[in-house]
Amino acid sequence: KNEVEQSPQNLTAQEGEFITINCSYSVGISALHWLQQHPGGGIVSLFMLSSGKKKHGRLIATINIQEKHSSLHITASHPRDSAVYICAVSLLGGYGKLTFGQGTILTVHP
Amino acid sequence: DGGITQSPKYLFRKEGQNVTLSCEQNLNHDAMYWYRQDPGQGLRLIYYSQIVNDFQKGDIAEGYSVSREKKESFPLTVTSAQKNPTAFYLCASSIVSGQGYLYEQFFGPGTRLTVL
Repeated sequence: KNEVEQSPQNLTAQEGEFITINCSYSVGISALHWLQQHPGGGIVSLFMLSSGKKKHGRLIATINIQEKHSSLHITASHPRDSAVYICAVSLLGGYGKLTFGQGTILTVHP
Repeated sequence: DGGITQSPKYLFRKEGQNVTLSCEQNLNHDAMYWYRQDPGQGLRLIYYSQIVNDFQKGDIAEGYSVSREKKESFPLTVTSAQKNPTAFYLCASSIVSGQGYLYEQFFGPGTRLTVL
């Protein structure tokens, strides 16, 4: 079993829909990261969370430390949100090195 | 502009040849990392370095080597011992924040290596 599990693996939505991607982990962490990877391959860090909730524009990330679970929400989705969304965790004492989920491929149709 | 550069974006090599991937950062970050991405799989850690002249093996270090002679540079050599080197390689760096244990990650654009 992977230490970081994401669901769903693939997600298709219509423009304007509310989207949720889930991430569960089974290890002790110092932080959880949500990353975005576009078709060209480059990765952008969206959020780094150690507790609670963060919001940036139409993106919201939450984490429940007790349940070892995080969600990434996209409100009013748009075709430009189409990308791979990756959940990753920094292990306690791991000096920042990340353990990654498999990624969620999101496609938003106009 | 501060950031991480990787060159080249695409790299082709013949089987049996060593190849070195470049990673440079001007963010003044102490920690740097190399990850490998294969289709349908999550990224995996190859090597990481917390400080100049020091580096540690990650989960899939076999067939790879690194050096960290300067803070700004963390080149990765894919040797002929790496059995399946064709992949997408990402370099990252991080800075410690929060109470000294939160590492915000910054990624380079990646190098796609194809071994023929």
